[in-house]
Amino acid sequence: EIVLTQSPDFQSVTPKEKVIITCRASQSIDNGLHWYQQKPDQSPKLLIKYASQSISGVPSRFSGSGSGTDFTLTINSLEVEDAATYYCHQSYNPPWTFGQGTKVEI
Amino acid sequence: QVQLVESGGGVVQPGGSLRLSCAASGFTFNDYGIHWVRQAPGKGLEWVAFIFYDGSNEYYADSVKGRFIISRDNSKNTLYLQMNSLRPDDTGVYYCAKDWGERAIIFDYWGQGSLVTVSS
Repeated sequence: EIVLTQSPDFQSVTPKEKVIITCRASQSIDNGLHWYQQKPDQSPKLLIKYASQSISGVPSRFSGSGSGTDFTLTINSLEVEDAATYYCHQSYNPPWTFGQGTKVEI
Repeated sequence: QVQLVESGGGVVQPGGSLRLSCAASGFTFNDYGIHWVRQAPGKGLEWVAFIFYDGSNEYYADSVKGRFIISRDNSKNTLYLQMNSLRPDDTGVYYCAKDWGERAIIFDYWGQGSLVTVSS
């Protein structure tokens, strides 16, 4: 099973700050890495697919990068509405797994 | 617009069974794979099961293999999850999630979730 480890687990930030969340895979997963945002009491929402591909309707302040084992999600100029837990997820091999989540508090 | 609406959750005793349903609309249901993903209270996301667009193949997490069965009825645009031999650690919110493609394994739309509680 491919293990995804996110860091940090928790981050307290102020509006307009830049946030970087990392996700490390236990083996190479090429670009089979995707990012989701889950706000309190809501379902998750797809933010980025295939490590760096943007999703229609997602604000441009969200971007992703990386390949192989190391990936990052960057939120430029954080807004209050971005308070959420962020998860990475790998589609490279079953069982398809998620990182443990990173909670971003404003 | 894409809509996924889960139903069938509730409280069940350990060892019991439950069947979840997910009614889909707003897209061509039989063109896409569909998943179940769960979330224990206060915990992270766990992929549970996946079924191909035509129902020809299924995948399961080890934690549910042999106890859960995923199925779909393309004539009714509905996904199912039959859950047997339920255990307390199966407690959580169960989401159905549409695949971005036939088998991309990217969850591009999610339902609102159905709460399953396994407790005596």
